[in-house]
Amino acid sequence: EVQLLESGGDLIQPGPGGSLRLSCAASGFTFSTYAMTWVRQAPGKGLEWVSTISSSGDRTYYADSVKGRFTISRDNSKNTLYLQMSSLRVEDTALYHCAKDWLGSGAPIYYMDVWGKGTTVTVSS
Amino acid sequence: DIQMTQSPSSLSASVGDRVTITCRASQAFGNWLAWYQQKPGGAPKSLIYGTSTLESGVPSRFSGSASGTDFSLTINNLQPEDFATYYCQQYNSFPPTFGGGTKVEIK
Repeated sequence: EVQLLESGGDLIQPGPGGSLRLSCAASGFTFSTYAMTWVRQAPGKGLEWVSTISSSGDRTYYADSVKGRFTISRDNSKNTLYLQMSSLRVEDTALYHCAKDWLGSGAPIYYMDVWGKGTTVTVSS
Repeated sequence: DIQMTQSPSSLSASVGDRVTITCRASQAFGNWLAWYQQKPGGAPKSLIYGTSTLESGVPSRFSGSASGTDFSLTINNLQPEDFATYYCQQYNSFPPTFGGGTKVEIK
């Protein structure tokens, strides 16, 4: 069974000192073949694409709202996706889902066929 | 960025009803549109990709179509397990963008 399990969410204060690393453990598929994505959902709101990484990790893509503050990475030997978040803002408060790209071509197509339940990040003073 | 305007934001329906949800794109593009279902506390579940292709295991009462920049998700014979929130998403161009969601509630 294909599974994605996120972790690392926490309550953190806003500002330049505020940083957090989210993890997503993948199982049930050949992780190294697929691009992976983070999508977030603010409380009571809809889905917002955050960042995507190619299967090998050599290409990364970011939403303007997080560019320069968030870094996506992956460890294919550990079947794990990461999102390093820094300079967190109140508006970054959300449930963060990781998701698997549908096509195992290396480059993302941005259609995600498997999602995790998410991990909650709360940015508040 | 392509904006996806989804309507209605919510609807009430009864078991057995037919419901249609629409997403209007801010510009024309091909068939690279997906629909997802999300239940409270759950992960989004992919239902349809390529505008009209059902994911494996998705019941045939779900269907997707397009007319110009309008994309529709139709659920025939609404079942109790279909009460959820539905999102469209375009993946034709970067960045990928989602509609605001439609909550389907029990009447």
